[in-house]
Amino acid sequence: QSILTQPPSLSADPGQKVTISCSGRRSNIGNNYVAWYQQLPGIAPKLVIYEDDKRPSGVPDRFSASKSDTSATLAITGLQTGDEAEYFCGTWDTTLETELFGGGTKLTVL
Amino acid sequence: QVHLQQSGPGLVKPSQTLSLTCAISGDSVSRNSGAWNWVRQSPSRGLEWLGRTFFKSKWYREYALSVKDRITVDPDTSRNQFSLQLHSVTPDDTAVYYCAASNEGGDFDYWDKGTLVNVSS
Repeated sequence: QSILTQPPSLSADPGQKVTISCSGRRSNIGNNYVAWYQQLPGIAPKLVIYEDDKRPSGVPDRFSASKSDTSATLAITGLQTGDEAEYFCGTWDTTLETELFGGGTKLTVL
Repeated sequence: QVHLQQSGPGLVKPSQTLSLTCAISGDSVSRNSGAWNWVRQSPSRGLEWLGRTFFKSKWYREYALSVKDRITVDPDTSRNQFSLQLHSVTPDDTAVYYCAASNEGGDFDYWDKGTLVNVSS
């Protein structure tokens, strides 16, 4: 069981908005930047959000994120079939001195 | 644009050492910011960070507690690459192994395509 907790799966219709949560502790999310990664089937993870809420160049503005206390949230609006993927949150844990990843959320776009 | 290219065997026998190398293009292993990481992924463990090396006036190596006693991550400045050695492997170490670059904020912004390493006799 991952220290960073994500819902295992979510589904939504094309065009809708979905939010993916990532719950942690003060030693990780509470004190360090959170990143979000998109992993399409059979492909390496891709960074879609860094430093809590910033988008790398090339990532559509349909992707946004926020953080509050010990939780982080990724939001995707105007869902497209190409957004169907697994999404992971990631952050450093200051107590464990290790990088942590969430268990992943499999997003299905119906 | 950073490009990472991993090499190494896809099959390792139990109790032996898993060795992988990650060649870097578009950046330097000796850069003064960010780090060079190894991450693995399996159905049972999910995404698991293994360790990293980085240069900040001197070389540092940091490892996950789960593998700390049997892992080495080393830079190779002459070849602009870094390596992973995981000793005394068991079938539980079977996974897709990725090398990845992380930026100053700790975000993994470049990944290689990954290599499936099977630990089996």
